[in-house]
Amino acid sequence: QKEVEQNSGPLSVPEGAIASLNCTYSDRGSQSFFWYRQYSGKSPELIMSIYSNGDKEDGRFTAQLNKASQYVSLLIRDSQPSDSATYLCAVMDSSASKIIFGSGTRLSIRP
Amino acid sequence: EAGVAQSPRYKIIEKRQSVAFWCNPISGHATLYWYQQILGQGPKLLIQFQNNGVVDDSQLPKDRFSAERLKGVDSTLKIQPAKLEDSAVYLCASSPSSTYNEQFFGPGTRLTVL
Repeated sequence: QKEVEQNSGPLSVPEGAIASLNCTYSDRGSQSFFWYRQYSGKSPELIMSIYSNGDKEDGRFTAQLNKASQYVSLLIRDSQPSDSATYLCAVMDSSASKIIFGSGTRLSIRP
Repeated sequence: EAGVAQSPRYKIIEKRQSVAFWCNPISGHATLYWYQQILGQGPKLLIQFQNNGVVDDSQLPKDRFSAERLKGVDSTLKIQPAKLEDSAVYLCASSPSSTYNEQFFGPGTRLTVL
């Protein structure tokens, strides 16, 4: 059973600080990794994708991938109250046929 | 560009009743997905279509769930008979192809089974 694990939180971070979200996965052959944001009562939306080891930056968001450790993370710099949401880590399985989602980490940015 | 459309948005039924959900993907998107998201969990893939063929339905409870995608466009997901544990949000998503990584989600249908 291929798994994607996340700490469910809630993770509380003061406004302006860096929020760090972590994810591990079990399928060593996975090549594609995603972070989705889901506001309460809404559907997921893709915010970052990463395919190679290292860092990928997009605005205030940085995704980090370490395939040897089977670890993906998302950093949010200068956290804003609007970043309060559940962040879902998703991994495309090694057969490249489907995306497996983690259970999500609930992030709360306190003013 | 219109997004993924789903209906109804909310549905309340009693156990053992049947229910159907409808999805209209983004125009031109060949791949369509149905997910089940139980409160506090991530979306779980139920079925994936490529055009009107099934690519993956390994996690679809086939004794009670069925889905079809006629003409490779709209799709319908049915539950018959419903159980209490089917209470969840049913999300439809689409992408241009199965190898295109980004999936675009619809607003979902929240199902409550009493």
